[in-house]
Amino acid sequence: GAGVSQSPSNKVTEKGKDVELRCDPISGHTALYWYRQRLGQGLEFLIYFQGNSAPDKSGLPSDRFSAERTGESVSTLTIQRTQQEDSAVYLCASSYLPSGRSEQYFGPGTRLTVT
Amino acid sequence: KNQVEQSPQSLIILEGKNCTLQCNYTVSPFSNLRWYKQDTGRGPVSLTIMTFSENTKSNGRYTATLDADTKQSSLHITASQLSDSASYICVVTNSNSGYALNFGKGTSLLVTP
Repeated sequence: GAGVSQSPSNKVTEKGKDVELRCDPISGHTALYWYRQRLGQGLEFLIYFQGNSAPDKSGLPSDRFSAERTGESVSTLTIQRTQQEDSAVYLCASSYLPSGRSEQYFGPGTRLTVT
Repeated sequence: KNQVEQSPQSLIILEGKNCTLQCNYTVSPFSNLRWYKQDTGRGPVSLTIMTFSENTKSNGRYTATLDADTKQSSLHITASQLSDSASYICVVTNSNSGYALNFGKGTSLLVTP
């Protein structure tokens, strides 16, 4: 079946602009995660959605970052007033159950470059 | 301080040779440890997952070991192939937080002809 998809694959934006990144999880997966991967660094947890529960936003680095998820489907990560330090690969993952109990499947990521 | 440390940071080996990657962690209480392979421009793909009671697990030419007492894991790659060139990431889950994963920075492996 189809895996996790993300769009766009690459995004170049000017400092100060807003960007919206999209994630389509695997159908039937209740959990969805966003991560950020800076060059040469490990993945940083950003936000976690589980079913209809309130999302865990504890990893969002600032109030310029927000994310939404419609039911158990598509999620969008929005970065407002982008800064150069926001340049990174943004990875989305989904799992059937919370990841402590089931495998996370990652999308290919969106490479964001802020100029 | 990162709770998952990997070594070496990068490694170059000849095709056909074996190699071992290391992962030390301080995550507690421990739930499970995963090794992921991340090809350039792709998302990570799971290779193995081990819980507290498992000492070793194999996936083809990949063999992972876990010593929960010393909080160390290794990933051994046998008879390396050019397609093994990738970043290998160690991920440890805290059992108190089932979804928050602790990622190492990865080991970048290059297999040359």
